[in-house]
Amino acid sequence: DTGVSQDPRHKITKRGQNVTFRCDPISEHNRLYWYRQTLGQGPEFLTYFQNEAQLEKSRLLSDRFSAERPKGSFSTLEIQRTEQGDSAMYLCASSDGPGQSTDTQYFGPGTRLTVL
Amino acid sequence: QKEVEQDPGPLSVPEGAIVSLNCTYSNSAFQYFMWYRQYSRKGPELLMYTYSSGNKEDGRFTAQVDKSSKYISLFIRDSQPSDSATYLCATGFFSGSARQLTFGSGTQLTVLP
Repeated sequence: DTGVSQDPRHKITKRGQNVTFRCDPISEHNRLYWYRQTLGQGPEFLTYFQNEAQLEKSRLLSDRFSAERPKGSFSTLEIQRTEQGDSAMYLCASSDGPGQSTDTQYFGPGTRLTVL
Repeated sequence: QKEVEQDPGPLSVPEGAIVSLNCTYSNSAFQYFMWYRQYSRKGPELLMYTYSSGNKEDGRFTAQVDKSSKYISLFIRDSQPSDSATYLCATGFFSGSARQLTFGSGTQLTVLP
């Protein structure tokens, strides 16, 4: 069990550019979540997948954000036309889903985005 | 009003002290409760979870939930400098379609040697 991995760990971009982040969940976990965390705040939910289906999206996920999980394994989060307000830590978590009473979520190390 | 409110800190204690970290929540429908520890610039690490009122112990850590008053606490006994981190409480559902966690804003803890 190698845990949840995220790539890249850090990304610096200029305003208006597009960025894409990748998350690899714990093997065989069928649920995958994206959260955003700003300084001094707890993580805020963005979206989650069960297998390849995107089941829920937060109102925080504007039209500039899109997430995919094409084969039910890794996921990507893309931000188009980045804005300075997008600067944050983007966290991915996975859980082993239905049948588990607590659906415990395990987090990756995060991707820190800085928009200049 | 946020759904989960957490004592903001920061909190600084001497090594060996008992630490009490607290959260309140507003949605009585929340079904389970978690504590995560987050070191600087790292992802949150699960410490404990519980889904019933009462106490749950794991080593030096005790999670306490009072559903009647919507209050969550984490106690750390014999605190160590390695416990210095931000502690996040979180609540969630294990039934229905809404599976995301709702977090408090975190309490930064420093344990001084």
